[in-house]
Amino acid sequence: GQSLEQPSEVTAVEGAIVQINCTYQTSGFYGLSWYQQHDGGAPTFLSYNALDGLEETGRFSSFLSRSDSYGYLLLQELQMKDSASYFCAVRAPSGNTPLVFGKGTRLSVIA
Amino acid sequence: KAGVTQTPRYLIKTRGQQVTLSCSPISGHRSVSWYQQTPGQGLQFLFEYFSETQRNKGNFPGRFSGRQFSNSRSEMNVSTLELGDSALYLCASSLTGGADTQYFGPGTRLTVL
Repeated sequence: GQSLEQPSEVTAVEGAIVQINCTYQTSGFYGLSWYQQHDGGAPTFLSYNALDGLEETGRFSSFLSRSDSYGYLLLQELQMKDSASYFCAVRAPSGNTPLVFGKGTRLSVIA
Repeated sequence: KAGVTQTPRYLIKTRGQQVTLSCSPISGHRSVSWYQQTPGQGLQFLFEYFSETQRNKGNFPGRFSGRQFSNSRSEMNVSTLELGDSALYLCASSLTGGADTQYFGPGTRLTVL
């Protein structure tokens, strides 16, 4: 089976940088995704890493190290609207298997 | 393009009843997946349909079932409702499933009394 670990809560100051880590244990691996969910809203796709390295999309970056079974989401220049839950999700062992989500990290951005 | 829509948005049922939830995917998307979201367990995969066939199934009892129609719209049914079935039920659509990006609907909030 697959399991993912991520911190349950993170608090950061507006304008700062925050990193949300995700470690996974899977039998096979196809890719790591990140989703954002605001209270009362639907999860929305942020990024996807299939290969090692950093993917950058504006203020958000995602990193993957397959040898360490580890990834992180980096949020820069934090804004109050970034307060949300962030989920990492893994697809394993192949591309046709369903996403398995971590339990989410609640990010609170404070002034 | 219109996004994923789910109906109803809110539902209150009593134990023992059954419920049917509906999901209309983004036009052109052929894969629909269903998830149960609860505060303690996060997002749990229920099942995925592609071209009217169930392609993957999660670890849920047989009381949870689904189907997909030829226009890719999908329904899920929960029979003999239990208190623990209270949750947000999300559906997500993608072009072909697999590694494609999934787009989530707003969910149906089910409360079982």
